[in-house]
Amino acid sequence: AQSVSQHNHHVILSEAASLELGCNYSYGGTVNLFWYVQYPGQHLQLLLKYFSGDPLVKGIKGFEAEFIKSKFSFNLRKPSVQWSDTAEYFCAAPSAAGNKLTFGGGTRVLVKP
Amino acid sequence: DTEVTQTPKHLVMGMTNKKSLKCEQHMGHRAMYWYKQKAKKPPELMFVYSYEKLSINESVPSRFSPECPNSSLLNLHLHALQPEDSALYLCASQDRGRSTEAFFGQGTRLTVV
Repeated sequence: AQSVSQHNHHVILSEAASLELGCNYSYGGTVNLFWYVQYPGQHLQLLLKYFSGDPLVKGIKGFEAEFIKSKFSFNLRKPSVQWSDTAEYFCAAPSAAGNKLTFGGGTRVLVKP
Repeated sequence: DTEVTQTPKHLVMGMTNKKSLKCEQHMGHRAMYWYKQKAKKPPELMFVYSYEKLSINESVPSRFSPECPNSSLLNLHLHALQPEDSALYLCASQDRGRSTEAFFGQGTRLTVV
């Protein structure tokens, strides 16, 4: 079964710092991967997704992620964070049948102004 | 319209009450999901409906009863809940296929007293 793990549980950084959140997946077949963000009190929103093609994926709000098949990784990056990036970030992957979405444990990011 | 609408936003219920959570989407998605999210944890899948038929029940206790009256609506009927069932209940919908993302509602924050 597909599993997804996120390395960091909490990240605290200052505005303008660079952010990188780790995500590793277990499934060895066709891979689809997602990063979702949950701002305080809001619903889960898709930041970006990978399903094929260019392994460097650009998302909304200046986020990007790189799919590295050899490392089973899909790390999320942002060169310069803002206070408004304070949120919880989830990496996710669907099952082989595509009917279940498995989430990583989440990373809580706090950006200090 | 790319929204998944959940009602109510907040619900407090006693352990002997019967209540229902509602979810609606008008994106034509044929897969709909209920997730449960405890504080500081990732969403956990409860049920999956595909083409209005229950396709996955993740061993959820029978005090939670899902219903899909039509392709746009998804209900979760609650009866005789326990305080440990207090959580954020998220509804999501998805078009068919592994490479499509799930759209999430804002959730119903449930407190069982």
